[in-house]
Amino acid sequence: DIQMTQSPSSLSASVGDRVTITCQASQAISNYLNWYQQKPGQAPNLLIYGASNLETGVPSRFSGSGSGTDFTFTINSLQPEDIATYYCQQYANLPPLTFGGGTKVEIK
Amino acid sequence: QVQLVESGGGVVQPGRSLRLSCAVSGFTFDNYGMDWVRQAPGKGLEWVAVISYDGSNKYYADSVKGRFTISRDNSKNTLYLQMNSLRVEDTAVYYCARDRYNYGQFDYWGQGTLVTVSS
Repeated sequence: DIQMTQSPSSLSASVGDRVTITCQASQAISNYLNWYQQKPGQAPNLLIYGASNLETGVPSRFSGSGSGTDFTFTINSLQPEDIATYYCQQYANLPPLTFGGGTKVEIK
Repeated sequence: QVQLVESGGGVVQPGRSLRLSCAVSGFTFDNYGMDWVRQAPGKGLEWVAVISYDGSNKYYADSVKGRFTISRDNSKNTLYLQMNSLRVEDTAVYYCARDRYNYGQFDYWGQGTLVTVSS
């Protein structure tokens, strides 16, 4: 199984800050990596697919990069509505499809 | 618009069975694979199972293999998850999700249905 290690598990930042989350795969997954946002009480929402492709309708302050085993998710200029937990997920190999442990983003 | 609506959750005793349903609308159901993903209370996301667009291919997480069965009825635009031999650790919100890649991009999700396994 491919393990996805996400860090940090939580962070606190100010409105307008740049926020960076990392995700490391236990083996190379090329660019088969998605990022999801989950707000409290809601289902997850796909933000980034293929490591760096922005899903339609997602604000451009969200971005993703990386390939192989190391990936980065960035929020440029954090907004109050970005308060959520963010998950990476690999789809290079199944079963299983695997998620990272999540990063909870809060406003300082 | 695309809609996925889960149903069938509830409280069940360990060892018993439950069947979840996911009724979809707003897209051509038999063009897409479909998944179940679960989330235990206060925990992260765990993929459970996927089924191909025509039902011919199915894959499961090790944690549910042999106990859960994913299926679909394309004539009814409905996805199912038959859960047998339920365990306390199966307690979670269960989401169905549309899979637009073969497999692994979940672009639409239902609102989830809570399954509680408790004596």
